[in-house]
Amino acid sequence: GAVVSQHPSRVICKSGTSVKIECRSLDFQATTMFWYRQFPKQSLMLMATSNEGSKATYEQGVEKDKFLINHASLTLSTLTVTSAHPEDSSFYICSAREVGGAGQPQHFGDGTRLSIL
Amino acid sequence: AQSVTQPDIHITVSEGASLELRCNYSYGATPYLFWYVQSPGQGLQLLLKYFSGDTLVQGIKGFEAEFKRSQSSFNLRKPSVHWSDAAEYFCAVGGGSQGNLIFGKGTKLSVKP
Repeated sequence: GAVVSQHPSRVICKSGTSVKIECRSLDFQATTMFWYRQFPKQSLMLMATSNEGSKATYEQGVEKDKFLINHASLTLSTLTVTSAHPEDSSFYICSAREVGGAGQPQHFGDGTRLSIL
Repeated sequence: AQSVTQPDIHITVSEGASLELRCNYSYGATPYLFWYVQSPGQGLQLLLKYFSGDTLVQGIKGFEAEFKRSQSSFNLRKPSVHWSDAAEYFCAVGGGSQGNLIFGKGTKLSVKP
């Protein structure tokens, strides 16, 4: 149980392109989903917290107009990297937290490797 | 400030040997504590979690961790390591209204035959 599907797993595209990444909780409902960015050989950096039906909460230093987050249902959140540039190349990982409060564990997708040429 | 420290960046153990990965945290209230494992190019898999109660928690794949409040530690252990355990291990503390996780920098585990 508690499976999170993240799609696509890898994207290679030209500079200036917008890229959408989907995060789905397959067998549970998630009122809260999280988006992380991970640089090589480093830990996960929280970008934003996404609550179903409301605006995402962005961490300091993360451009909300650059990284658009939509959480329209209890099982789907999307991250759109708008007008991507080479410095946006990274590994993006989403997670979904089971309903039940802040103490419930987060379950992670397999990540999306984004490469901007 | 809330933080998680994993003092060991890289550990190498022999297959069959015991393992202990260290984790220390700084948190203002009773924390929720987690250990996750990440294989190369993949997401994170939850190994175990501590919320309250018994301070020794059992997880998947034969892992266990012990919460020691006096030492602000949550070390991960396994009595006998398998080659398939080679991966990156992250300790995390969670809490607050949103349950955000704060991750340590990770410990890379290598297993030699």
